[in-house]
Amino acid sequence: QKEVEQNSGPLSVPEGAIASLNCTYSDRGSQSFFWYRQYSGKSPELIMFIYSNGDKEDGRFTAQLNKASQYVSLLIRDSQPSDSATYLCAVRVRSGGGADGLTFGKGTHLIIQP
Amino acid sequence: NAGVTQTPKFRILKIGQSMTLQCTQDMNHNYMYWYRQDPGMGLKLIYYSVGAGITDKGEVPNGYNVSRSTTEDFPLRLELAAPSQTSVYFCASSDKTRTYEQYFGPGTRLTVT
Repeated sequence: QKEVEQNSGPLSVPEGAIASLNCTYSDRGSQSFFWYRQYSGKSPELIMFIYSNGDKEDGRFTAQLNKASQYVSLLIRDSQPSDSATYLCAVRVRSGGGADGLTFGKGTHLIIQP
Repeated sequence: NAGVTQTPKFRILKIGQSMTLQCTQDMNHNYMYWYRQDPGMGLKLIYYSVGAGITDKGEVPNGYNVSRSTTEDFPLRLELAAPSQTSVYFCASSDKTRTYEQYFGPGTRLTVT
């Protein structure tokens, strides 16, 4: 069974610091990796995706992937109180129909302290 | 352009009752999905569809049924509701050329008592 593991937190980070969120996955055949942000009572919102080993940067966000270690991380630079949310790591699951249902971790609750 | 809409927002069911959760998208997306999210947990895939008339099971399909008669609509049917189906249900859609980018609806919070 495919699994995606995250530390549930809460992870508390001072405003302006770097928040580091981590995720491991069990299926070595996984191809694509996603980070979703979910505010309390709201639906998930895609913020980053990464396919290749290495780093991918988008504004204050950097996704890092290491397929050999089956590890993906999300760095948030210059953390703001508005970044306080639950961050869900998701892995692409291949299916016979070609649709990309995702396997999600339980999420890490991030708190940015002003 | 409303994106993905879901109705109702909230619902309380008694054990054994049935209901249909509605999902509509106006982005002409081929792929649609139903997920459930239990408190403190990630999302789990219930059913998905790659187009009108085509549906398939996800990770947790038991107790649910779906249909896809049009591109826009993907209703989720609960038959004989059980307390274990108490959850938040999210519908999502994606374009077949950018399947990684799933757009989520606002969710339906369902309680079965």
